[in-house]
Amino acid sequence: AQTVTQSQPEMSVQEAETVTLSCTYDTSESDYYLFWYKQPPSRQMILVIRQEAYKQQNATENRFSVNFQKAAKSFSLKISDSQLGDAAMYFCAYRRNMGGTSYGKLTFGQGTILTVHP
Amino acid sequence: DGGITQSPKYLFRKEGQNVTLSCEQNLNHDAMYWYRQDPGQGLRLIYYSQIVNDFQKGDIAEGYSVSREKKESFPLTVTSAQKNPTAFYLCASVRAGMGSAEAFFGQGTRLTVV
Repeated sequence: AQTVTQSQPEMSVQEAETVTLSCTYDTSESDYYLFWYKQPPSRQMILVIRQEAYKQQNATENRFSVNFQKAAKSFSLKISDSQLGDAAMYFCAYRRNMGGTSYGKLTFGQGTILTVHP
Repeated sequence: DGGITQSPKYLFRKEGQNVTLSCEQNLNHDAMYWYRQDPGQGLRLIYYSQIVNDFQKGDIAEGYSVSREKKESFPLTVTSAQKNPTAFYLCASVRAGMGSAEAFFGQGTRLTVV
């Protein structure tokens, strides 16, 4: 069974600096998707970025980028120019690509609480 | 506006009672999921459904039941068999036809046993 591990329960960063959140996963599949979600104090889950495993190029979304290391099963999130609004719980998630319209399980890590200091 | 609606936002249950959490979506999504969130444990999958009248157990299904009679609706019943039901519950859905489609989430239901 696939598992997702976030080994950093808490991280902190100064405003305008860069921080990297770690995520590792375990799967025997070769085709899958990885996601980073943000959960602010409102508890509304928001997609930050996604990565398709078949793509070698790392995904980027404005100040957010990932370092996807497929062989190492690592999927870290880098937040550049951190802002106060980035403070939240961040979750890494995995979903196997089952083809067609099949989705399977969407598995989450334990989460990392990010604090941004002014 | 399209989205996922969970109700109620707060729910209180007495010991030994069954309660049902509502999840409705008007996004025409096929797959729907229920998660439980406890402090320090992230999101744990309870049940998921990929199509009407079909659903699969997740990692912590004991003490819970679901139904999927309509595409739009995926209610979760927390039964008296669930020994520690106090938690935050999140419902999610995924759009059809795109493998990398993100999950959209409701705003959650906070269940407390009193």
